[in-house]
Amino acid sequence: GAVVSQHPSWVICKSGTSVKIECRSLDFQATTMFWYRQFPKQSLMLMATSNEGSKATYEQGVEKDKFLINHASLTLSTLTVTSAHPEDSSFYICSASPGLDPTDTQYFGPGTRLTVL
Amino acid sequence: DQQVKQNSPSLSVQEGRISILNCDYTNSMFDYFLWYKKYPAEGPTFLISISSIKDKNEDGRFTVFLNKSAKHLSLHIVPSQPGDSAVYFCAAKAGGGNKLTFGTGTQLKVEL
Repeated sequence: GAVVSQHPSWVICKSGTSVKIECRSLDFQATTMFWYRQFPKQSLMLMATSNEGSKATYEQGVEKDKFLINHASLTLSTLTVTSAHPEDSSFYICSASPGLDPTDTQYFGPGTRLTVL
Repeated sequence: DQQVKQNSPSLSVQEGRISILNCDYTNSMFDYFLWYKKYPAEGPTFLISISSIKDKNEDGRFTVFLNKSAKHLSLHIVPSQPGDSAVYFCAAKAGGGNKLTFGTGTQLKVEL
């Protein structure tokens, strides 16, 4: 149980285009979903936290107009990188949590490798 | 400002021996700690966690030790197996929230 999927697993796009990444919890309802990015040999950095039906909470330094997050249902959250540029190339990982208890485990998706040319 | 630090980027251990991965933190508000394992091109997988009210938690071959006064925790894997070869991330939460702060990871290689 507790499977989280991401689609696509990798994407290459031209500079200036927008890319949408989907995150789905397959066998549980995710009250909260999280979006992280990871640069090579670096830590996972939390970008934003989203709760179903409400606006996402962005971490300091993350542009909310550039990284649009939608959490329309308890099993789906999307991250749209708008007007992508080469510096947005990274590994984007989502996670989902079934509840709000701090001991609730976050289950991670397999990640999406974004390359912007 | 790296609040969770894993100072060893890599560790090599022989099969059957003990692997000890270390993690230090600076934020005294952290009260829940987790270890995740990550294979290349995959998301992290939860391994084991510990609350700040405990100093040890054990699950099979994995044991996590917490030293609050030193703001230090460690993950012990014994006996180490080749399938344990992966990147291990230490993570921490604070004040009842569910935001995770990750360390930079330690690449563990278990050799035959």
